[in-house]
Amino acid sequence: RKEVEQDPGPFNVPEGATVAFNCTYSNSASQSFFWYRQDCRKEPKLLMSVYSSGNEDGRFTAQLNRASQYISLLIRDSKLSDSATYLCVVNIMNTGFQKLVFGTGTRLLVSP
Amino acid sequence: DTEVTQTPKHLVMGMTNKKSLKCEQHMGHRAMYWYKQKAKKPPELMFVYSYEKLSINESVPSRFSPECPNSSLLNLHLHALQPEDSALYLCASSQDREGGAYNEQFFGPGTRLTVL
Repeated sequence: RKEVEQDPGPFNVPEGATVAFNCTYSNSASQSFFWYRQDCRKEPKLLMSVYSSGNEDGRFTAQLNRASQYISLLIRDSKLSDSATYLCVVNIMNTGFQKLVFGTGTRLLVSP
Repeated sequence: DTEVTQTPKHLVMGMTNKKSLKCEQHMGHRAMYWYKQKAKKPPELMFVYSYEKLSINESVPSRFSPECPNSSLLNLHLHALQPEDSALYLCASSQDREGGAYNEQFFGPGTRLTVL
């Protein structure tokens, strides 16, 4: 089983739609969770950290379910500029040092 | 708008060349990272430096040699690379605080490397 798994998509949605991505992780000891966004040929950029209580930032809502070991990202009122690859990232402590493990990413295409 | 800078943006080198990639961060972070990313794949960790000491080497071939001259700078020295080493090389930094909090990593724009 992969350490972090995501549906690669692509998810094709019209502007204004609500879209949700899920991600599962295998290591129950993982402590920190993130969503990064990566545009084509650019670096990953931190979108949100994911906290146990869930968190919201404008149109974006992230949830964590530790019991089922999955993380979700909800995007409301999609914009054309939301088109990108969304990377689910899980932090694993490796012999006392942190290591980020990336999912393969979910591609989102928002159309007019 | 990134606070992690990388040079050069693009690099083309032959298999016998020696070159270096450079990374600098201005956030006071004490952990720095090198990642390799191939097209349509997620970033893969190569090296981690914490407080200027190498803490993780993900079994990277010796033709890649990292160096951390100080807490703000990270270099990756390249020698005798192969065409399959062509990729986007990303540098990142984080606060590396104890306890797992505030472990977000911030990435530089990357160096796109082509090995001929």
